[in-house]
Amino acid sequence: AQTVTQSQPEMSVQEAETVTLSCTYDTSESDYYLFWYKQPPSRQMILVIRQEAYKQQNATENRFSVNFQKAAKSFSLKISDSQLGDAAMYFCAYNAGGTSYGKLTFGQGTILTVHP
Amino acid sequence: SQTIHQWPATLVQPVGSPLSLECTVEGTSNPNLYWYRQAAGRGLQLLFYSVGIGQISSEVPQNLSASRPQDRQFILSSKKLLLSDSGFYLCAWSPGVAGRTQYFGPGTRLLVL
Repeated sequence: AQTVTQSQPEMSVQEAETVTLSCTYDTSESDYYLFWYKQPPSRQMILVIRQEAYKQQNATENRFSVNFQKAAKSFSLKISDSQLGDAAMYFCAYNAGGTSYGKLTFGQGTILTVHP
Repeated sequence: SQTIHQWPATLVQPVGSPLSLECTVEGTSNPNLYWYRQAAGRGLQLLFYSVGIGQISSEVPQNLSASRPQDRQFILSSKKLLLSDSGFYLCAWSPGVAGRTQYFGPGTRLLVL
């Protein structure tokens, strides 16, 4: 079974600085998808960024980028120029390809605090 | 654009009472639909998913059931709630067939007393 591990229960960063959140996963599949979701205090899950395993290029979305290391099964999220609104819980998630019907396996989350 | 709705937003129910949570999606057809539960603010557990009307797959045995009476409607139910059913319930959808990204609704906070 696939597992997703986020080893940092909590992280903090100063406003305008950069922070990296870690995620590792375990799978025997070669085709899969990885995601980072953000959950602010409202608790609605918001998609931050997505990475297809077959793509070697790391995904970027404005201030958010990933470092995808397929051989190491690592998928970290870098937030540049951190803003107060980035404070939230961040979840890493995995979805196998094929006929998995889009089922997501989530990590346990990392609480990010942004200090002014 | 697509929109996903959940109601109610908050629910307080006594132990042993029935439950019905509703999720609807607008702006798409034949979506895959999912119910998740999040306990104690950590990690999401997939409860049910559906790839079409009347097609429900359960991920974990429990006191809950799900139904999909219409293409864009997904309902989570229980005949008798347990204290352990308390939590935050999230509905999500993804495009059918080739879609992988899931988009979540605002969630329902359920407290069973």
